[in-house]
Amino acid sequence: ELKVEQNPLFLSMQEGKNYTIYCNYSTTSDRLYWYRQDPGKSLESLFVLLSNGAVKQEGRLMASLDTKARLSTLHITAAVHDLSATYFCAVDNDMRFGAGTRLTVKP
Amino acid sequence: NAGVTQTPKFQVLKTGQSMTLQCAQDMNHEYMSWYRQDPGMGLRLIHYSVGAGITDQGEVPNGYNVSRSTTEDFPLRLLSAAPSQTSVYFCASRDTGFRVAFFGQGTRLTVV
Repeated sequence: ELKVEQNPLFLSMQEGKNYTIYCNYSTTSDRLYWYRQDPGKSLESLFVLLSNGAVKQEGRLMASLDTKARLSTLHITAAVHDLSATYFCAVDNDMRFGAGTRLTVKP
Repeated sequence: NAGVTQTPKFQVLKTGQSMTLQCAQDMNHEYMSWYRQDPGMGLRLIHYSVGAGITDQGEVPNGYNVSRSTTEDFPLRLLSAAPSQTSVYFCASRDTGFRVAFFGQGTRLTVV
C-alpha cells in the first residue's frame, strides 16, 4: 500500500530565509502533486510533476521529483508572509496525500 | 465558470441519520473523487470514479456509498452517520491526463 510521508509537519520560518519541505513515498510512482491550503479554504494546485527529474518553479516556490529515490522536494526561497499556509504533496494517479506541512512565515 | 460545486457547505446530523453530499463539475472531466480531511491526517481518499457508471473504493470507504450516473455528478451518501464521520469532505475532478485537480469548496459535516 502506498504511504506518503511529509516532513517537517510544522515549519516556522523568518521572512527572507530559505527552506525545503520533503515528500517521501513508498512505492514506485512517476506522478506527484503539490497543493496549498489556506485555513478554512479548499486546496489550490501548485505543481504537477510527471517524470523523473522534473523541476517546476513558480515565484518563490520550486518543486522537484526524483522517482528513483521516491522523493519530491518543495523549496521555498526568501520566504514572505503570504506563503504561510499548509502544503500537501499527493502521489500517484488517485492522489494519496501526505499529512501536510503547516508553514508559518514570521516577520 | 463554476468548476467543482459542492453542497451543502455545512451540515449537522444526528447519529444514525442518512444524507447525500452533492458534487457537480462542469469541465467534462472523467475522473472524480471524494476525500475526507481530518486534523493532522491530510486528505484520505474515500471513493473515486473514472467515468460514468464506474466507481471504486479508496483508502477509507466504509460507511459511504457513491454512484456515477452522469459525467457531471458524483454524490456521496452516508448511510447511517456516526460521530467518526465528522470531518471536512472535499470533492475533486481531473481530466483523463491526470494533471491538475480541481477541488470543491468542501462540506463541513458534524455528526452528534
